[in-house]
Amino acid sequence: AQKVTQAQTEISVVEKEDVTLDCVYETRDTTYYLFWYKQPPSGELVFLIRRNSFDEQNEISGRYSWNFQKSTSSFNFTITASQVVDSAVYFCALRAITGANNLFFGTGTRLTVIP
Amino acid sequence: DADVTQTPRNRITKTGKRIMLECSQTKGHDRMYWYRQDPGLGLRLIYYSFDVKDINKGEISDGYSVSRQAQAKFSLSLESAIPNQTALYFCATSDPSGGLYNEQFFGPGTRLTVL
Repeated sequence: AQKVTQAQTEISVVEKEDVTLDCVYETRDTTYYLFWYKQPPSGELVFLIRRNSFDEQNEISGRYSWNFQKSTSSFNFTITASQVVDSAVYFCALRAITGANNLFFGTGTRLTVIP
Repeated sequence: DADVTQTPRNRITKTGKRIMLECSQTKGHDRMYWYRQDPGLGLRLIYYSFDVKDINKGEISDGYSVSRQAQAKFSLSLESAIPNQTALYFCATSDPSGGLYNEQFFGPGTRLTVL
């Protein structure tokens, strides 16, 4: 069974602060894929990043960075120098290569950046 | 034009009414999915289809039915809507031949309210 846990329900930070969103996953599969999505107040899902289970390299994209650690089954997301436009709900998701190939989502973390 | 479209975008209906949510895609993907998002619960899989003749139940299919009218169209029906089906519904597509990641592409969502 696949499971994704985002223990942080809501986080508030002041603009320009750094913030890390935690994601812990469970799977018995050896091959799987991890994703982060952003859901702004308008409701659509915005794809941010994907990672496969064989690639543990951390990634940086502008103010965003991701830390994937198989040893702790974690795929954490850091926003550096947060901005008001970063305010959204962020979802971590896991996809296995078997079965429906669907995404298993965490419950999301609502990030509020205070100006 | 958007690759994955959903109609309607917003709908308010009454308990007991039949309602259909439609999803269309221009990506040429065989696989299509319906997810439901409830506050604090993330997205959960309702139904999925690997091709026109292959339809499968997901995690929370009770109270829903689907129809895959063509490769490009996948409709979700609530035969007799009830208030706890009030949620944000997402359609998604993926292409298993699309490479390592089989990324899912989401529609903009349909916000359904059942009174």
